[in-house]
Amino acid sequence: QQQVKQSPQSLIVQKGGISIINCAYENTAFDYFPWYQQFPGKGPALLIAIRPDVSEKKEGRFTISFNKSAKQFSLHIMDSQPGDSATYFCAASPNTGKLIFGQGTTLQVKP
Amino acid sequence: GAGVSQTPSNKVTEKGKYVELRCDPISGHTALYWYRQSLGQGPEFLIYFQGTGAADDSGLPNDRFFAVRPEGSVSTLKIQRTERGDSAVYLCASSTFESGELFFGEGSRLTVL
Repeated sequence: QQQVKQSPQSLIVQKGGISIINCAYENTAFDYFPWYQQFPGKGPALLIAIRPDVSEKKEGRFTISFNKSAKQFSLHIMDSQPGDSATYFCAASPNTGKLIFGQGTTLQVKP
Repeated sequence: GAGVSQTPSNKVTEKGKYVELRCDPISGHTALYWYRQSLGQGPEFLIYFQGTGAADDSGLPNDRFFAVRPEGSVSTLKIQRTERGDSAVYLCASSTFESGELFFGEGSRLTVL
């Protein structure tokens, strides 16, 4: 019940394309769903986050779509750029502290 | 400093030795977290401090792992009798808790030979 399942494990997208990463969770007590971006040798950094009272949140080229009934949420990166190449982690939390992370998706954006 | 600072950045030790990893959080952040990240995996929660006390230590894998935060700022993660399976990057994060956003350091890479 504590797991967050993330797919795909890796993703290759052409520059200008849309990158989509999906996550699913089981614990209905989760009420905070962030996405973190991690570059090699660095710690994860918050990209965008959503709470279950909304179905979508957009910040620039990044959008979270949230489906509470299906217990799924996804990250969409519009107009993907080579600088977006990184590992992305979804996460979930029953409060704002103890995050449960997905397994990660390695995104490569080809120029 | 402006961000979360972790030392050492790299630590190589022998099986059975004792290791300490230090985390200096962002000034004013009351919450501090330790995570462990194995190669190709997402960060795994270890322990969370609110002030000086451990609010949740349910992620510590066994009693060889211990963490302290005596003055509510700097924290030390202590690992006794290290094993090869302890090899990983140990990440520290801090937050104001109210914001929900965790700010991570760059991690301490531990290699147990």
